[in-house]
Amino acid sequence: DQQVKQNSPSLSVQEGRISILNCDYTNSMFDYFLWYKKYPAEGPTFLISISSIKDKNEDGRFTVFLNKSAKHLSLHIVPSQPGDSAVYFCAARATYSGAGSYQLTFGKGTKLSVIP
Amino acid sequence: EAQVTQNPRYLITVTGKKLTVTCSQNMNHEYMSWYRQDPGLGLRQIYYSMNVEVTDKGDVPEGYKVSRKEKRNFPLILESPSPNQTSLYFCASTSDPIQPQHFGDGTRLSIL
Repeated sequence: DQQVKQNSPSLSVQEGRISILNCDYTNSMFDYFLWYKKYPAEGPTFLISISSIKDKNEDGRFTVFLNKSAKHLSLHIVPSQPGDSAVYFCAARATYSGAGSYQLTFGKGTKLSVIP
Repeated sequence: EAQVTQNPRYLITVTGKKLTVTCSQNMNHEYMSWYRQDPGLGLRQIYYSMNVEVTDKGDVPEGYKVSRKEKRNFPLILESPSPNQTSLYFCASTSDPIQPQHFGDGTRLSIL
């Protein structure tokens, strides 16, 4: 049972345009969401996060939107640059007491290609 | 420089030959974790540790062992590796569950 879904394995966007990466989740206990970016031969690096008490978080060219009722979040990159070409992972966490509160559940990732 | 270091980066070995992948972090983080990445499956958590001598299973723990005898180190042990453990492995650490994790650069294991 896949609790975090990234239904688009790949996405191609022209440089300067907006990139929109989508993520859906099924577990209503998830209350903290993160996006990671991964280049080949490197580990994932944290990009941006959002708590469930917010519906938007912005950091420079990157904005994450959260729609709790739809259990959907999206990452917007504006404007897209060739250096943004990477695999983007959506991740979610449920806050509750105990050891399990550390567990992150990742989606399968979306490969973004920004074409110059 | 703050980092998570994994060794080896690449390893080709044979079924049944015990191996250990080391992970070390220099950020004094309490929380450490191991993931595997497989095509079409994304990142899946194998084991995690909340502190020295405190470990717990993630989503795919079968065939793996871990230990946390020191805060900085969190080795992943494959006692009897099998071909289905061929994968790309990542170690990660963080100071707090609510903070983002720092990942190592990965270890590519091939079990023949």
